[in-house]
This record gives sequence, structure tokens and C-alpha cells, in this order.
Amino acid sequence: KQEVTQIPAALSVPEGENLVLNCSFTDSAIYNLQWFRQDPGKGLTSLLLIQSSQREQTSGRLNASLDKSSGRSTLYIAASQPGDSATYLCAPGAGTASKLTFGTGTRLQVTL
Amino acid sequence: DTEVTQTPKHLVMGMTNKKSLKCEQHMGHRAMYWYKQKAKKPPELMFVYSYEKLSINESVPSRFSPECPNSSLLNLHLHALQPEDSALYLCASSPGLAIYTGELFFGEGSRLTVL
Repeated sequence: KQEVTQIPAALSVPEGENLVLNCSFTDSAIYNLQWFRQDPGKGLTSLLLIQSSQREQTSGRLNASLDKSSGRSTLYIAASQPGDSATYLCAPGAGTASKLTFGTGTRLQVTL
Repeated sequence: DTEVTQTPKHLVMGMTNKKSLKCEQHMGHRAMYWYKQKAKKPPELMFVYSYEKLSINESVPSRFSPECPNSSLLNLHLHALQPEDSALYLCASSPGLAIYTGELFFGEGSRLTVL
């Protein structure tokens, strides 16, 4: 069974800081890994998708890396803004489980 | 158009009621999903439809009954629910099965309260 852990569980930073969110997973037989953002009481928005053959993906101020063999992914957020405040979830797509498994999430607050 | 639309946004029902949640996408996606999310927890998979056929049922109680009338629509029929079923119900779609092709698109969710 795939277990997905995200560290830290919560993070509060002042505006402008560069951030690192961590995701670790136990089953490395994944096809891809996706990072999502969720605002309170809302649905999830896809941020980045990394295929298992890729090492990283970038979109604007976001950069996600994947080390499949060690079961880790990292989301970097550059120059954080108050609008980045949300919960960030990673979800590896594991072949053996035939489904995406969501991580426990990191609640981010960026203050002025 | 990259939207997944869920209705209603909010639903309050008694334990003896029968109601339905609806989900629609017009992106030509062939896989659709229902997830349940409790407060401060990650989404939990309930059902997966692939090419209009139920491909995954995560041992969900029979008081939840999914239906996929066509490739654009996904319903979740609710009957005799319990208060602990109160949660945010999320619908999602993907071009193919998300574990292979990636990129899951979510709706805004339906907030269900069972009294």
C-alpha cells in the first residue's frame, strides 16, 4: 500500500521567501507524480505533473523535482506571495495500486 | 474549456432522504472519479469510471451509488446516509486513467451535510 507523507505539515513565512515543500512515498513503482493546490473549502488545482522519466518540471515560480528511486519529490516556490497561501498536496500515481494516492498536505500561509 | 462542473455546491439532507450529486466535463476525458474529503484530510478515492465502465470501487458502502450515463456525466446517488458521511465530495476527470497519463482536473466540490 502506498504511503505518502508531506513535510512540514504547516508553514508560515513572510512574503518574498523561497520555500521548499517535501513529499515522500513508499512505493517507487510510479508512472508520474502530481502537485496540487487547494484553497479552503474548494477543489484541487493541478500545479505540476512530472512523468516518472523526468527529473523536474517548472511553471512560473514553481519548480518540482522527482527522485523516483529514493521515493521523494520536492516543490520549490520562489519569491512567495500572500496569494500562494493554500494547502499543497502531492499525489504519486502508482502502478501497483492502480490509483493516485494523496499526501497528507502542507498548509502554507504567506504573510505580508 | 478546462472545467469540471459539480452541482449542487451545497446539500443538506436527512438520513432518510435520497439525493444525487452531479458532475459534468466537456474536455473529452475518458476517466472520471469521485473522491470524498473530510476536513483537514487528503481526498480519498471512492470510484473510478474508465470509458464509462466502473473500474475501481474502493469498498464504498452501498448507500453511495455511482452512475455514468455517458462520457461527460458522472452522478453519485445518495440514500440512507449517516452523519459521518458529511464531507466535501469532489469529482475529477482525466484524459485517460490518471496513474498512466497524469493530470487530474477537479471540480469545486459539493459540500454535503447529513443531519
